[in-house]
Amino acid sequence: KNQVEQSPQSLIILEGKNCTLQCNYTVSPFSNLRWYKQDTGRGPVSLTIMTFSENTKSNGRYTATLDADTKQSSLHITASQLSDSASYICVVSLTGGGNKLTFGTGTQLKVEL
Amino acid sequence: AAGVIQSPRHLIKEKRETATLKCYPIPRHDTVYWYQQGPGQDPQFLISFYEKMQSDKGSIPDRFSAQQFSDYHSELNMSSLELGDSALYFCASSPTVGAGTGETQYFGPGTRLLVL
Repeated sequence: KNQVEQSPQSLIILEGKNCTLQCNYTVSPFSNLRWYKQDTGRGPVSLTIMTFSENTKSNGRYTATLDADTKQSSLHITASQLSDSASYICVVSLTGGGNKLTFGTGTQLKVEL
Repeated sequence: AAGVIQSPRHLIKEKRETATLKCYPIPRHDTVYWYQQGPGQDPQFLISFYEKMQSDKGSIPDRFSAQQFSDYHSELNMSSLELGDSALYFCASSPTVGAGTGETQYFGPGTRLLVL
């Protein structure tokens, strides 16, 4: 069983609409949680990074939230654009894990006109 | 701004051949990570280096080896290639890793390896 589960697996929305992606993790002990955007065939690009003491972090139209008690995180995308079409990956880092990352299953987002 | 450079970008090899992938980290980054991403799969951590020493090891096959050089670039050497090694290989770099400091990893564009 994957230690970082994401939902939905895929999502199609219209341009200009908002959406929220979910991430549940069981990785422990938890150090920090990141959201990455990955275009097909490209390297993941970091969007946000949060430690266990942070509840929210914003980066432009991207806002990530974290509930360390329930081990859940969400990524909210506001006013979506066609260029937001990509895979969004939730990634968790272990405490003392030397910054080794555990990648989630990803959500494939498609923004259409 | 300078990014992580990987070469080659594409590589085609036959079974049982060897391959060497190269990674040049962002300047002043001393930590390098290697990931393997199979078709439709999540990236899987292979191995990492900090200051030219192996800092962590993941699911790297014994047929693979890697090292980090004095200029901080890293090479992933793959021998006895198998069909299942066909994947996208990412290299990432970060500033000094520390112990769970959570430094952001900056990923390169990847090397797409196809084993025939």
